Amino acid sequence: AQSVTQPDIHITVSEGASLELRCNYSYGATPYLFWYVQSPGQGLQLLLKYFSGDTLVQGIKGFEAEFKRSQSSFNLRKPSVHWSDAAEYFCAVGAAGTALIFGKGTTLSVSS
Amino acid sequence: GAVVSQHPSRVICKSGTSVKIECRSLDFQATTMFWYRQFPKKSLMLMATSNEGSKATYEQGVEKDKFLINHASLTLSTLTVTSAHPEDSSFYICSARDSSGTSYEQYFGPGTRLTVT
Repeated sequence: AQSVTQPDIHITVSEGASLELRCNYSYGATPYLFWYVQSPGQGLQLLLKYFSGDTLVQGIKGFEAEFKRSQSSFNLRKPSVHWSDAAEYFCAVGAAGTALIFGKGTTLSVSS
Repeated sequence: GAVVSQHPSRVICKSGTSVKIECRSLDFQATTMFWYRQFPKKSLMLMATSNEGSKATYEQGVEKDKFLINHASLTLSTLTVTSAHPEDSSFYICSARDSSGTSYEQYFGPGTRLTVT
């Protein structure tokens, strides 16, 4: 079955500390992978995406993610978290022309 | 970049009435659009795939007679929630796939918050 797993429901990090959000997927075809961020009551904002090529992808707001095919993972990282990064983060997987399958999301809280 | 709009952004309706939500691709053509539903503090669940000029494909468990989808042009898909009930209250998000560009690129609208009283 095709699925996306985000093992961490809620993570709290201190401002300035590094962040890693985990994402594992199960997908039959070549996966296209995405990370989105959502603030309360808002729509989705694309942080970064992986289609092919370099397995380390850079996104907006200082985020990066690494695709590891052997581990079926696409973890999101940021070296130094800002208070404004507090939000809900969704990992998603899809194929060319298909709808996306989303993980359940990870809520990020940032403490001062 | 490609922009997808949704209208309205928020709507409150009374139980038993119908409400229509529009999803427009503003600067590209989209033969395929997707409708998702998001419950509070939950993930996005695909409701249906909307194809221009043909019937929508609904996911298992989604009532096609309740959630009517029309994709009459290459830039507009509509979702009509018929005879709405409080349990239909949710955040509805559409996405559109750019027909002319790379087939894996899709763009999300800002969402519509539906509240049924």
